[in-house]
This record gives sequence, C-alpha cells and structure tokens, in this order.
Amino acid sequence: DAGVTQSPTHLIKTRGQQVTLRCSPKSGHDTVSWYQQALGQGPQFIFQYYEEEERQRGNFPDRFSGHQFPNYSSELNVNALLLGDSALYLCASSLFPAGDLNTEAFFGQGTRLTVV
Amino acid sequence: AQSVAQPEDQVNVAEGNPLTVKCTYSVSGNPYLFWYVQYPNRGLQFLLKYITGDNLVKGSYGFEAEFNKSQTSFHLKKPSALVSDSALYFCAVRDSGTYKYIFGTGTRLKVLA
Repeated sequence: DAGVTQSPTHLIKTRGQQVTLRCSPKSGHDTVSWYQQALGQGPQFIFQYYEEEERQRGNFPDRFSGHQFPNYSSELNVNALLLGDSALYLCASSLFPAGDLNTEAFFGQGTRLTVV
Repeated sequence: AQSVAQPEDQVNVAEGNPLTVKCTYSVSGNPYLFWYVQYPNRGLQFLLKYITGDNLVKGSYGFEAEFNKSQTSFHLKKPSALVSDSALYFCAVRDSGTYKYIFGTGTRLKVLA
C-alpha cells in the first residue's frame, strides 16, 4: 500500500503564475482534503472533495480551487500566486464518514511551494 | 467554534525520562481528538486518537494520551523518551459536522541524549 502520494515534492513559481498540485489517496479511501501549512504554523483546512464535488471549504479565496477525479485522485489549483502562498501543501485522504467516525485521515508528505 | 491549543512551543526532555506534550480543546458536542507527528520535510503521521471509551488511549511508537473531559485536555505522554522522538507534534480536533481537522500550532519536542 503506497499510502497517500503527492506530486511534485517541491515547486518554485513566480508571483502571478498558476500552479497545480496532485494527490493520490490511500487505497480504499474516497475522500481527499487539502491543507496549507505555513512555516511555523499548524495545517489550515482549504477544502474537501468527495464524489468529485467540493463538500467543505475553509477560509481561502477563490484563487484556490480543486478537482477530484473518478479514481478519487485530486488536484489543487492556485491562480495568481502571491508571496504569501508559499507553504507546505498537504493532502489528506480518508473514508467519507457515513456514520463511521472511528477513522483517521492519512496525510501525504506534502508539496513545498515557494513563490518568488 | 472548535479549537485546540498547544501552550508550549517547545518541550525539552532528557532521553529516558518521561515526556508530556500538552493540548487543550474547545468543542461543542463530543470531541474527536487526534495526535499527529511531523518529521522534517515530511507530512503528518498519525499517532493516536480519542473517539469514545477509555480515557487512556494507546498509540504508535509507545505514545499514549489521556483524555480529561473536566479539564478539556488531551495530553500526549510517553514513559521513556528516545532521541528519535524529536519532532513536531500536532494536536487536532475533528469537526463532527464537516469532518475537517482543526490543528493546534504544534509543539517541538527535543529529546536530549
């Protein structure tokens, strides 16, 4: 079991550019969530995808968008990059808790995005 | 709004000594509490969780956590620290309605040889 895999591991972009990050969930998981972890802070929830739809969204601007594919993999897109978007972006996979709350999320190793 | 607090930015402990990393929470309804560990340039690794049941929860790598409802705390403990336990530890609560995780600011644990 490969667990949660993210690509790329590192990325450098220029202000104003657009970026796409990718995530493959753990085998058997159907829900993908994205988090932003700025330096020295805890991860902050961006949004969650289930059945190819955005189910929940955190306090992030519309520049942040996503997609989930039929195979449950997901992409995070960020447009018009700002210096403040520099962070570690974490993908978490889980089972959509249809009544079963006794599950935990599994995280990928993250994508380190640097905006210059 | 649900939240967790980790009052210590850093905890230093000598190898072989017991360690405690503190976490307090604020939730409406039942708390679903988690501890994750992060090593440099890595993602988060699950350590343990409290959903319901016994207040003492045992997890990976010899870690355990004590859920205390009256003090709204969920402190992480280990009887004997290892140098390899040095890492960044995050306490989190899972929102029962949205299922998103709300993380604390993290506590850096440094185990000294």
